[in-house]
Formats: sequence, C-alpha cells, structure tokens
Amino acid sequence: AQKITQTQPGMFVQEKEAVTLDCTYDTSDPSYGLFWYKQPSSGEMIFLIYQGSYDQQNATEGRYSLNFQKARKSANLVISASQLGDSAMYFCAMRLTTFGNEKLTFGTGTRLTIIP
Amino acid sequence: SQTIHQWPATLVQPVGSPLSLECTVEGTSNPNLYWYRQAAGRGLQLLFYSVGIGQISSEVPQNLSASRPQDRQFILSSKKLLLSDSGFYLCAWRGVVYTGELFFGEGSRLTVL
Repeated sequence: AQKITQTQPGMFVQEKEAVTLDCTYDTSDPSYGLFWYKQPSSGEMIFLIYQGSYDQQNATEGRYSLNFQKARKSANLVISASQLGDSAMYFCAMRLTTFGNEKLTFGTGTRLTIIP
Repeated sequence: SQTIHQWPATLVQPVGSPLSLECTVEGTSNPNLYWYRQAAGRGLQLLFYSVGIGQISSEVPQNLSASRPQDRQFILSSKKLLLSDSGFYLCAWRGVVYTGELFFGEGSRLTVL
C-alpha cells in the first residue's frame, strides 16, 4: 500500500522568504511518481510539479522546486521568493507507475499563509 | 485546449434525497476520469475512476455510484444522501503526457442537512 504524510498542518511565512513544505511517502514499489498541487480558497486543484522515481535531477518549475531524497523517501516542495498569492493549501500526492494503476494518493495537506 | 467543468457548484440537500453531480471534459477523447471527495480540512479521497464508457472502478464502498454514459461525461449519484456525504467533490481527468498528472474541475460543494 502507498501512503503520503504531510506533518505540517499550517505554516506562516514572511513575504519574499523561501518556504519548504514537507512530504514523506511510503511504498515498496520502485516505480512511482510524486506530485504537488496547490488549492487556493476557491477550491480548484492546481498542478504544480512532478518528480519521477527514476529522475536523476530534482524537478523545477519556475519558483517551485522539488527536493527529492529517495533514500529518505521525502519529496519536499520548495517555493522561492514567496508571494501573497502563494497563500493556499498544498497537497503532496503519489501514484505507482505500474501499468493499469490509476490511484493518485494524496496527503492531508499543509495550509500556507504568506504574511506581508 | 482541454477544459473540464462540473456542476452544480454548490448544493444543499436534505438527508435521504437523491444526488447527481455532472462532469464534462472538452478537447480530449477517451480520457481517464476520476471522482474525488474532500472532507472539511482533509485530503482528497478517490471515490471512482473510469477508463472508458461504461467502465467504472470503485475505491471506497459507500452509498454513492458513478456512471459514464458518454466518452467525456462522468456522473456521480446517490439514491439517498447521508450526513456523512457532505464535502467538496472534485472531478478530474488524466493528462496524456507520461507524467499523468490530474487536471481538476472547479469542484462541487455538497452540504447534507
């Protein structure tokens, strides 16, 4: 079974500072993908970044980067130069990439608040 | 470009009443479709997914059901709602790139009284 753990229910960060959101996962399968989503107060889920288990380099997308430490089974999201618009819920998720697997498992989320 | 829409956006229903939430996707064919539920302050729970017309897989046994009458239409239903069915329901489709990220609709907020 696969499991995602986000241990930070909430975080407060000063605007323009960098922030790291923690995510650990548990699976015995060697092939998997890790995802981060942002959920603003409007409720929509916005895909941010993806990391494959065999990817040699950490994924980056603009101000978002994923600190992937495979041996520790962690996939932390780093947001550089935080902005007020970054205030939202953030979810880490994982899917095993075996053929036919359709289940994307989500963590419980971290509520990030950016302080002006 | 691909778009996904859900409706209604919000609804308040009495216990024991029926439910129908609809989701449609445009700009892609034969998408994998999903229904997730998000309880207040919690993560997303996969309810159903579909890889084609008439093909439904259930992840969690409950009083909800799903149907896919057309390629780009996914419907979530209940014959008799329970208080515990309250939550935020999200429909999603799976992108065709190898990463397979999900793209979500706007969500439907259901309150059962």
